[in-house]
Amino acid sequence: AQRVTQVQPTGSSQWGEEVTLDCSYETSEYFYRIFWYRQLFSGEMVFLIYQPSFDTQNQRSGRYSVVFQKSFKSISLVISASQPEDSGTYFCALSEPSMSTGGNNKLTFGQGTVLSVIP
Amino acid sequence: EAAVTQSPRSKVAVTGGKVTLSCHQTNNHDYMYWYRQDTGHGLRLIHYSYVADSTEKGDIPDGYKASRPSQENFSLILELASLSQTAVYFCASSELGGDTEVFFGKGTRLTVV
Repeated sequence: AQRVTQVQPTGSSQWGEEVTLDCSYETSEYFYRIFWYRQLFSGEMVFLIYQPSFDTQNQRSGRYSVVFQKSFKSISLVISASQPEDSGTYFCALSEPSMSTGGNNKLTFGQGTVLSVIP
Repeated sequence: EAAVTQSPRSKVAVTGGKVTLSCHQTNNHDYMYWYRQDTGHGLRLIHYSYVADSTEKGDIPDGYKASRPSQENFSLILELASLSQTAVYFCASSELGGDTEVFFGKGTRLTVV
């Protein structure tokens, strides 16, 4: 069964600092993806970045990057130069688009980490 | 920009009443999903669909039905709303194979009283 765990319910940083948010997951699939979303205070879900399991390179998008430790089934989101506007809830989500699931992107979410960036 | 539009954005329903939440996407995506979020938790999958006139159960389908009358539209139906179904509901869409993000609507806040 899929399971995604975010052990940090909350986190904080000072303006300009680098922030790391952790996520671990369980899967028996060879091919999967890990997504990171940020939920704004309005409730809106904003896509940040995703890491495919077959790619050994850590993905990067703007100020967001991931540290992917496949053998440990662990992935961290790194936000460089954090800003107060980065405050919100960050979700890690697992997708297993195997042939048995029809290639879809059904997501299993972690519980989220509430990040506060202090000015 | 891909778009997923949900209506209504908020609703108060009476216990035992019927509730229909609607979702419309202009992404031309094959897959559509309904998720539920309870306060302080992540999203959980209720139903999904990969083609019109067909729906599949997700992880928590009990008490919910879904309908996909066209590629663009996907509804979530609560035939007999209960207090425990008070939550925020998100619709989403994605391409087949999905080597891209999943696009979410802005959510519908449902309160059952």
